[in-house]
Amino acid sequence: GQQLNQSPQSMFIQEGEDVSMNCTSSSIFNTWLWYKQEPGEGPVLLIALYKAGELTSNGRLTAQFGITRKDSFLNISASIPSDVGIYFCAGPFLKNSGGSNYKLTFGKGTLLTVNP
Amino acid sequence: GAGVSQSPSNKVTEKGKDVELRCDPISGHTALYWYRQSLGQGLEFLIYFQGNSAPDKSGLPSDRFSAERTGGSVSTLTIQRTQQEDSAVYLCASSLGQGVNIQYFGAGTRLSVL
Repeated sequence: GQQLNQSPQSMFIQEGEDVSMNCTSSSIFNTWLWYKQEPGEGPVLLIALYKAGELTSNGRLTAQFGITRKDSFLNISASIPSDVGIYFCAGPFLKNSGGSNYKLTFGKGTLLTVNP
Repeated sequence: GAGVSQSPSNKVTEKGKDVELRCDPISGHTALYWYRQSLGQGLEFLIYFQGNSAPDKSGLPSDRFSAERTGGSVSTLTIQRTQQEDSAVYLCASSLGQGVNIQYFGAGTRLSVL
C-alpha cells in the first residue's frame, strides 16, 4: 500500500522561529493535504495542494507540492505558542480500479512544541 | 449541526463488552468516513459510506468491527467483544461527496478497553 513518511517526528522550537516539515512517498500522489490536530480535537485542514509544483500560503503557513509528486513540505514562519499541535500530511489512496480518491493515507505526524 | 459531532467523547469499557460509537456528519455531506488513531500514530482508514452505495469496509481490522449509516446521515461504529488493542481514538469525518472533497473531522471518541 501507499506509505507517507513524515519528518521530523517532533520539534521543539522557540517562539518566533521558523519551522519546516516534510512528507515523502514512494508513490505518486495527485493531491497533498496538510492537517493540524490539537489535543482532544480532530484534525483540521490547513492547506490543500492539487498540482505538482504548486506553492500555496495560508497566513504564516506555506506548503508546496513537489514536482515529482512524491513529496510535499509545510513551512510555518514566526511561530507562536498556539502553533503547538501535531501536523499531518495526507493524500488520497488511489483505487486500482481508478475509482474515487476518497481514502486518505496519513503520515504519522510531526509533533510541534513552541516555547514562549 | 455546524460540525461533525461524535459521541461519547470518552468511553471506558471492559474487555469482552460491545461498544457503539456515534457520528453525526455535517448536514448535506453525503460521504462519511471512520478512522482509528492509535497513540503516536497517524490515522488509519476503517470504512467509507457514500450516499446509497455499498460501503467500502476494506479498512475494518476484524469481523468484530462493523458500521452502518441510517438514512444517509448518522453512522454507528460497533465493536463487539472489545480487546485491549482496540483502545484508540475513533475519528469520524464527512465531506460533500466523492473525490477528494475536503474531509471535516469530529473531535473523536477516545475508547479505553480495560
